Amino acid sequence: QQPVQSPQAVILREGEDAVINCSSSKALYSVHWYRQKHGEAPVFLMILLKGGEQKGHEKISASFNEKKQQSSLYLTASQLSYSGTYFCGTEYGTGNQFYFGTGTSLTVIP
Amino acid sequence: DGGITQSPKYLFRKEGQNVTLSCEQNLNHDAMYWYRQDPGQGLRLIYYSQIVNDFQKGDIAEGYSVSREKKESFPLTVTSAQKNPTAFYLCASSPGDSLYEQYFGPGTRLTVT
Repeated sequence: QQPVQSPQAVILREGEDAVINCSSSKALYSVHWYRQKHGEAPVFLMILLKGGEQKGHEKISASFNEKKQQSSLYLTASQLSYSGTYFCGTEYGTGNQFYFGTGTSLTVIP
Repeated sequence: DGGITQSPKYLFRKEGQNVTLSCEQNLNHDAMYWYRQDPGQGLRLIYYSQIVNDFQKGDIAEGYSVSREKKESFPLTVTSAQKNPTAFYLCASSPGDSLYEQYFGPGTRLTVT
């Protein structure tokens, strides 16, 4: 039931854009996005709820396509500080278990 | 400052010994979680608790046990029955269900030899 993320890894030059996808085989109730630096704890980025909501956070935004059971994270004009592993997290219904995705390693180089 | 503390940061144990990992939060959150992370892997849920004196198994609960006697505390015991206990363990808390973000502690890296 773990959501699948794609791509598994991506390397960008500073200023380039990236899209990370999170797909589920089951209907999603909510989608969380987190970023984790090596050896550190994950840090919350945003939550999206059912209803196709799109949210933004500086140059990082995300969408939630209920029909496709998918969420996408958009990173624009990437900065070196964006490097890390990005995880989506989902719950399939209220009160159910929370699942993190497989992770996407993003490296931004000068 | 409010937050989640996990101790110790690094823990070494001999095979066959039980070990308890501490997790304390002063955020007044109802829900608490324990995750395991292996190198290059995602986070897998071990146990979670949405209220004091109640907890549920996650996908990989075998070989682990928890208690939730106080709202602030959610200790995890790694028992000798856990076949591959060496991993990075993360504790998290949340005000409620999945409508709310999870706040993570700094993690404990457990090495069992």
